[in-house]
Amino acid sequence: GENVEQHPSTLSVQEGDSAVIKCTYSDSASNYFPWYKQELGKGPQLIIDIRSNVGEKKDQRIAVTLNKTAKHFSLHITETQPEDSAVYFCAASLNTGFQKLVFGTGTRLLVSP
Amino acid sequence: GAVVSQHPSRVICKSGTSVKIECRSLDFQATTMFWYRQFPKQSLMLMATSNEGSKATYEQGVEKDKFLINHASLTLSTLTVTSAHPEDSSFYICSALAFFGQGTRLTVV
Repeated sequence: GENVEQHPSTLSVQEGDSAVIKCTYSDSASNYFPWYKQELGKGPQLIIDIRSNVGEKKDQRIAVTLNKTAKHFSLHITETQPEDSAVYFCAASLNTGFQKLVFGTGTRLLVSP
Repeated sequence: GAVVSQHPSRVICKSGTSVKIECRSLDFQATTMFWYRQFPKQSLMLMATSNEGSKATYEQGVEKDKFLINHASLTLSTLTVTSAHPEDSSFYICSALAFFGQGTRLTVV
């Protein structure tokens, strides 16, 4: 089955800096890769996603890149703000119409003012 | 994006009692929903796949008689934790498509 690895487990940056979180997956058939932000005591919030027919996607300060050959994808947050502090999860799935997701282990991002 | 609503957000129950958690898709129909469990500072662990009109599919190691799932309509799935024990205390989260509910913090005392 699919296995998703995520690094780093914790990331501390200064406000205004960029943050990069990386994930690798094992199943070459996976073709849907969402990223989630989870704040304490809340459910994961979808912040951006990418499908395997696209190499990069951007939404304001957030971007995701995908390298299918190497089976890795990354989340890039620019101009970080304290409110970006949270736990971020990557995930992978087969786009079969119902999204059974396999999650990475999470990255705790701390943005210091 | 699509909205998934989960209730209650918090529940405290006594050992031996049962607790029902509801998961609703508010603006779309979901033939499939998923139930996850999350321990503190850990990732989400898939418990089961809830299928509308048929039996749920449970992940290995998850007791189907303990975690009863009912998906009676295209917008509602329920998870019932039966005969709850303190070790069942956890954060339970449902999802439909790629969207998650708010989660339910269950504490068994």
